[in-house]
Amino acid sequence: DIQMTQSPSTLSASVGDRVTITCRASQSISSWLAWYQQKPGKAPKLLIYKASSLESGVPSRFSGSGSGTEFTLTISSLQPDDFATYYCQQYNGYPWTFGQGTKVEIK
Amino acid sequence: QITLKESGPTLVKPTQTLTLTCTVSGFSLSTTGVGVGWSRQPPGKALEWLALIYWDDDKRYSPSLKSRLTITKDTSKNQVVLTMTNMDPVDTATYYCAHIVHSSGWYYFDYWGQGTLVTVSS
Repeated sequence: DIQMTQSPSTLSASVGDRVTITCRASQSISSWLAWYQQKPGKAPKLLIYKASSLESGVPSRFSGSGSGTEFTLTISSLQPDDFATYYCQQYNGYPWTFGQGTKVEIK
Repeated sequence: QITLKESGPTLVKPTQTLTLTCTVSGFSLSTTGVGVGWSRQPPGKALEWLALIYWDDDKRYSPSLKSRLTITKDTSKNQVVLTMTNMDPVDTATYYCAHIVHSSGWYYFDYWGQGTLVTVSS
């Protein structure tokens, strides 16, 4: 199985901050990575696919980059609605695997 | 508009078999390139991918749970069914189904159902 490791596990930030979350794969997954946002009691919401492609309707303050084994999700200016948990997921090979999540908290 | 909704028991006893149904709308399970998958999330923990099924009936399972899982689809009813045998308290989780989209030759989840919490307890 391909292991996905996110860092940090928790991030404290203020509105307006630039936030970066890292996701590392245990082997190369090319660009076959998605990022999801999840709020308490809600289903995950797709933000980014193919490492850097913004899903339709997602604000442009979200961006993704990387390829191979190292990826980042960046929120350019954190908004109140962005406080949530973020997951990366690889779909390069089966089984699909998720990172352990990064919780973005209010500082 | 693509929507998915999970249904099934909220409480099952240890050793019982869980049957969950995902009812979909806004797309057909027989359309080339379409798939539906299941994931779960224990309370306070991360997401775990379980299984998926494609329009051509190709099925994939999590290796760690493969012996306990079966995924099927009923195109006429717009439903995907996941069964998990020999349930244990550690299987307590919110179970999600999700639509799989085909893009650039690869597949990934885009739309998710609201999830259904299943508790395993005697």
